[in-house]
Amino acid sequence: DVKVTQSSRYLVKRTGEKVFLECVQDMDHENMFWYRQDPGLGLRLIYFSYDVKMKEKGDIPEGYSVSREKKERFSLILESASTNQTSMYLCASSQGGAQETQYFGPGTRLLVL
Amino acid sequence: SQKIEQNSEALNIQEGKTATLTCNYTNYSPAYLQWYRQDPGRGPVFLLLIRENEKEKRKERLKVTFDTTLKQSLFHITASQPADSATYLCALGRRALTFGSGTRLQVQP
Repeated sequence: DVKVTQSSRYLVKRTGEKVFLECVQDMDHENMFWYRQDPGLGLRLIYFSYDVKMKEKGDIPEGYSVSREKKERFSLILESASTNQTSMYLCASSQGGAQETQYFGPGTRLLVL
Repeated sequence: SQKIEQNSEALNIQEGKTATLTCNYTNYSPAYLQWYRQDPGRGPVFLLLIRENEKEKRKERLKVTFDTTLKQSLFHITASQPADSATYLCALGRRALTFGSGTRLQVQP
């Protein structure tokens, strides 16, 4: 079974802090994705990556950056956390083209005070 | 602009009935459409994928239809059970997936 793990289930940070969210997948998938999920807005794509050191902006990249140094690991970075970045963050991975099934991690609920 | 619409109101049905959820989209020409299930506090789980040249797809008690003329997909759960209670998300795209906001299904025993 595909397993996608995220470094924390819950995280509380202060405004202005640098925040790292880590995601690891164990199935050698090429593609990895970061989403945020807010009530009424659904899942919104922040960034995705098709290969190591490759990244592409999604629909809402402002205020975020990503890093993919190894195939299995995809990190989301909030350079200076703000209260409007309080959200549920979900990581996903997939094999092949971007149209393939995505496998999601359990999510990280981030609260920025 | 591109838009995916799912009924934001929860759908309440009795156990044993068929649940039908709707996904409408505008300004897309998707090659495929996917349905996911999400339980509270967890990540979505893939259920079914249907391609643009397929009208219908089935998997056990699940059935999905895809009408590219109407720009609509219907997701059916037959003989529904309380364990089917969850939020169901549709997702579509050509290069990367875009998700709808989901419809919450509540199956009453």
